[in-house]
Amino acid sequence: QKEVEQDPGPLSVPEGAIVSLNCTYSNSAFQYFMWYRQYSRKGPELLMYTYSSGNKEDGRFTAQVDKSSKYISLFIRDSQPSDSATYLCAMIMIKAAGNKLTFGGGTRVLVKP
Amino acid sequence: DVKVTQSSRYLVKRTGEKVFLECVQDMDHENMFWYRQDPGLGLRLIYFSYDVKMKEKGDIPEGYSVSREKKERFSLILESASTNQTSMYLCASSPLREKLFFGSGTQLSVL
Repeated sequence: QKEVEQDPGPLSVPEGAIVSLNCTYSNSAFQYFMWYRQYSRKGPELLMYTYSSGNKEDGRFTAQVDKSSKYISLFIRDSQPSDSATYLCAMIMIKAAGNKLTFGGGTRVLVKP
Repeated sequence: DVKVTQSSRYLVKRTGEKVFLECVQDMDHENMFWYRQDPGLGLRLIYFSYDVKMKEKGDIPEGYSVSREKKERFSLILESASTNQTSMYLCASSPLREKLFFGSGTQLSVL
C-alpha cells in the first residue's frame, strides 16, 4: 500500500464548475500538507501549503485537511480552462534525521470551455 | 521569485553514454533535489543535497550519482545511460526541506 493515495483521473469538468481533488494517507506522522499544480511539460509549482486541520483559502482555491480521517482535499471554484493541469498532493513528515517529503501520483484535470 | 534552471529541456542520448544534467538555483537555498517522474509512478526521489559537497541517497539512487561543488549548482550524472532511464528529470531547491521549488524539467530519451 502506498503511503499517499491519489486518484489519477482524468477528471473532466465544464468551465465554471467546482473541481474537487483529494488524497488519503496512511501515516499519522505526516504534519505538513501541500498541493502542487503541474502543467504539461513543466515542473510542479506550489499552490497551497498548510499544517493544521481545517480550511485554508487563497482566491479560488481552498485546501482542506482532516488529520483524524487522514484525508486532504483541494477545491477549485469557478474553474477555468487554464486550470487544466495535473495536481499533486504532497506531505511532510518531520524527522530528526531530516524531513521526509512524499508525493501523491497526481490527478489530471481537464476543464472544458 | 525563486528561479530553478535546468540546462536542457530535451536530451537524446545513446545507451552507455555518460550523461550530465545540470541545475542552478538563484535563491541561496541549502537543499537541492533530483527527482524523476514517470507515468503511473509519480515523482521519485533520486538524490538530495543539504549542503555543498553533501549528498544523500533518495529512493532510487541506483545508476545515478550527483555532484554539488557550489551551493547554487546540483548536477545529476548517469554514469552509463540505459533505456530504463528514459524519463522526465526534475530538479528542485528548498530553504528548509519543506516547500520545494521546481525547475521546468529535462525530458531525457535514451536510445
